[in-house]
Amino acid sequence: AQSVTQLGSHVSVSEGALVLLRCNYSSSVPPYLFWYVQYPNQGLQLLLKYTSAATLVKGINGFEAEFKKSETSFHLTKPSAHMSDAAEYFCAARFSGGYNKLIFGAGTRLAVHP
Amino acid sequence: GAVVSQHPSRVICKSGTSVKIECRSLDFQATTMFWYRQFPKQSLMLMATSNEGSKATYEQGVEKDKFLINHASLTLSTLTVTSAHPEDSSFYICSAERATEAFFGQGTRLTVV
Repeated sequence: AQSVTQLGSHVSVSEGALVLLRCNYSSSVPPYLFWYVQYPNQGLQLLLKYTSAATLVKGINGFEAEFKKSETSFHLTKPSAHMSDAAEYFCAARFSGGYNKLIFGAGTRLAVHP
Repeated sequence: GAVVSQHPSRVICKSGTSVKIECRSLDFQATTMFWYRQFPKQSLMLMATSNEGSKATYEQGVEKDKFLINHASLTLSTLTVTSAHPEDSSFYICSAERATEAFFGQGTRLTVV
């Protein structure tokens, strides 16, 4: 079955440290992949997306993600965490034949401490 | 980027009443919009796909008669929670499609008392 898995429901990093949020997908055909950020009581904001062009995708706020077909992964990274990065992050996929539906991972709550 | 506006952002209603939530694409036309429900500290659960000029497509387990969706124009979809009960309290989010990208509304916090 087509699915999106985010490893780690909670990630805690120090300010200035590397941020790594993991996302894996399950499907025989690579989907379009997205990372979204959600702040409390707000909608989702797109950080970046992979749509079969470059495998290393740069997004907003210093985030980037690399698509690795061999690992069926699309992990999100940021070299240096800021306090303002504390939020909920969702990985999502649009699978072939899925009628444009977005399938979301369970989410990862990122905490940044001083 | 494209803007999707969702209204109201918060609503409190009495049990047994109906509540309407609006989702508007402000600067583009959207033939397809999606409605999600999000429980506290959980992910988004797709409720239905709203198609302009036709009936919505509901996900398995979502009550069509309780969650009425209308997509009467290319810029507006509405979700009406009918005969609301406390268990319907949740965060509801809409999204509108443009090209390969989904743009999300700000969400609506519904509390049924």
